[in-house]
Amino acid sequence: AQSVAQPEDQVNVAEGNPLTVKCTYSVSGNPYLFWYVQYPNRGLQFLLKYITGDNLVKGSYGFEAEFNKSQTSFHLKKPSALVSDSALYFCAVRDTAYNNNDMRFGAGTRLTVKP
Amino acid sequence: EPEVTQTPSHQVTQMGQEVILRCVPISNHLYFYWYRQILGQKVEFLVSFYNNEISEKSEIFDDQFSVERPDGSNFTLKIRSTKLEDSAMYFCASSDGTSGRVTDTQYFGPGTRLTVL
Repeated sequence: AQSVAQPEDQVNVAEGNPLTVKCTYSVSGNPYLFWYVQYPNRGLQFLLKYITGDNLVKGSYGFEAEFNKSQTSFHLKKPSALVSDSALYFCAVRDTAYNNNDMRFGAGTRLTVKP
Repeated sequence: EPEVTQTPSHQVTQMGQEVILRCVPISNHLYFYWYRQILGQKVEFLVSFYNNEISEKSEIFDDQFSVERPDGSNFTLKIRSTKLEDSAMYFCASSDGTSGRVTDTQYFGPGTRLTVL
């Protein structure tokens, strides 16, 4: 079955610096990949997704992610971090081999941006 | 911007009791989902619902669980006889079905924290 791994529980960056939140995936077919963010006491908010086409996907709040098939990765990036970006970030995947709605989430990465 | 809403935000119940968690999906959406997140663990898929029937369910979604769309706006998750291990955050999500069932973006509610004592 499909799965994702977020190898870092915590990422700390200084405001204004670039940030990267890592995600790798495992699928039988082709992946549909998603990033969500969770702020305290809020639900999961959709940031961006990769379905097909351009490997660089741009999303909400200045975030982008790059699909790398050879490395089976979909890292989330932002050129200049804001303190308000501090939150919990989840990567998720669906597998075209299964054609279902079962979306598998990673364990989450807590991003802290310090002023 | 339309949002998925969930009530209550926190539910405390005794083991063995029935609970119903309520969700109001985004109004023009066609697919509805429940996920749960046990404290400190991953978000796990429970069930998806389309056209008034379950379309997929995970191994977690056993006979103790049921879902219903009792009217045109609500989508509920019922746990018949709660167990201690049902304590978790339960998220409802919906998607509009326009870009394809598997490629759809799912929009999540804020969650209901269920505590079973």
